[in-house]
Amino acid sequence: DAGVIQSPRHEVTEMGQEVTLRCKPISGHDYLFWYRQTMMRGLELLIYFNNNVPIDDSGMPEDRFSAKMPNASFSTLKIQPSEPRDSAVYFCASRNRAEAFFGQGTRLTVV
Amino acid sequence: AQSVTQLGSHVSVSEGALVLLRCNYSSSVPPYLFWYVQYPNQGLQLLLKYTSAATLVKGINGFEAEFKKSETSFHLTKPSAHMSDAAEYFCAVSDGGSQGNLIFGKGTKLSVKP
Repeated sequence: DAGVIQSPRHEVTEMGQEVTLRCKPISGHDYLFWYRQTMMRGLELLIYFNNNVPIDDSGMPEDRFSAKMPNASFSTLKIQPSEPRDSAVYFCASRNRAEAFFGQGTRLTVV
Repeated sequence: AQSVTQLGSHVSVSEGALVLLRCNYSSSVPPYLFWYVQYPNQGLQLLLKYTSAATLVKGINGFEAEFKKSETSFHLTKPSAHMSDAAEYFCAVSDGGSQGNLIFGKGTKLSVKP
C-alpha cells in the first residue's frame, strides 16, 4: 500500500479564497482523522470519521471549516473563506485496529 | 477521559548519551499506547506501540519503551543517542483500545549535541 496520500503538498492562497485539501486513506482502514499543526498550538485534532461517518468534529475551529468523507477511499477538508490564521500544516491519518498512519501533510499558507 | 502528559517540551543530550523521554497517561480502559517521531517537514511516523502484550516494547532505530501500569507511564528510551535522532517525539493513547481516536501529548523536541 502507498500509505496515506494527501494533496496538494503545498498550497499558497490569498485571504478569502476557498481551499480544499484531499486525503486518500489506507485501504481497509475504518477511521480517518484530520489534524492541524502549528508552532503555537501544536498538533490539534480537527475531526474524525468512522466508516465514513463523522464522529467528533468538536475540534473544527469555526463554520469556515468543513470536512466530508463521501466514500471509504476519499476525504476532503475545506476552508471557505480562508484567513491568514489558517496557515498551518494539515495532516490526514487513517487507522484500523492499532496505530494510526499519517500522510506527509499539506502546508497551507494564506497570504 | 483519556489523556497524555509529556514532561519536558525540549530535551537535549550529547551524542552517545542515554535518551529518556517521559510520558504519563490516564485511561479508563486498558490502554493502547504509542510513540511517534516527526522529522522536519515530514508526517508522524510510528516508533513503537503497546497493545497489551509484552510490557517492554522494542521499536525502530534502537528505541524501546516500558509500560508500567502502577506508574501510568510509558517512557521512551534509547541507550545511545545519534545525531539522526534529533526530531520531535509524540506519545499517544487510544481512547478506546483498538477503536476510536488517538490522544496525543504536546510533543518533546529532542536535540542531540555532537
